[in-house]
Amino acid sequence: DVKVTQSSRYLVKRTGEKVFLECVQDMDHENMFWYRQDPGLGLRLIYFSYDVKMKEKGDIPEGYSVSREKKERFSLILESASTNQTSMYLCASTLGGESYNEQFFGPGTRLTVL
Amino acid sequence: AQKVTQAQTEISVVEKEDVTLDCVYETRDTTYYLFWYKQPPSGELVFLIRRNSFDEQNEISGRYSWNFQKSTSSFNFTITASQVVDSAVYFCALSEAGANNLFFGTGTRLTVIP
Repeated sequence: DVKVTQSSRYLVKRTGEKVFLECVQDMDHENMFWYRQDPGLGLRLIYFSYDVKMKEKGDIPEGYSVSREKKERFSLILESASTNQTSMYLCASTLGGESYNEQFFGPGTRLTVL
Repeated sequence: AQKVTQAQTEISVVEKEDVTLDCVYETRDTTYYLFWYKQPPSGELVFLIRRNSFDEQNEISGRYSWNFQKSTSSFNFTITASQVVDSAVYFCALSEAGANNLFFGTGTRLTVIP
């Protein structure tokens, strides 16, 4: 059974803290993605990576960075968390090379920044 | 520019009723892919279907059916004889050929009342 796992389901942090969200996939997928989901806005792409150490900005990269040191792991970093980063964060992965491949999603991390 | 519109924010139906979720898309590409995902209360998005732009044949899978019409840029999703387990947020998404990422609509929350 294919799996994308995220390190936490719920996370509470304080303003200014550095936050790490971890995502691991066991499908040997080339592409990995980080989205945030907010009511009325759907899913918005923050960053994606199509290979180890490669990354590309999505639609809303401001305030975030990412790291992909190993193929199976993709980390989202909030350098200095702010209250407007309170959201649901979803990680996804897919095979590379073709845009018709479906994305497989993790269960999400609901982050609250106080 | 790409865009996916799901005009219905929330829908409530009584169990066993049929319901149609609308999806309208915009793209300049002639080759693209359309997707539907389901997000149950557990949070993890589940892939339901993919359609490419050259295949306008409608699809039926059990109680689910999809109607793809290029003339109206729509890819609507119908659930027949709805059940309580169908309660979820449903997302329509678009991927253009050569692109690695998906553009999501804002989602439709479906509530099936027993």
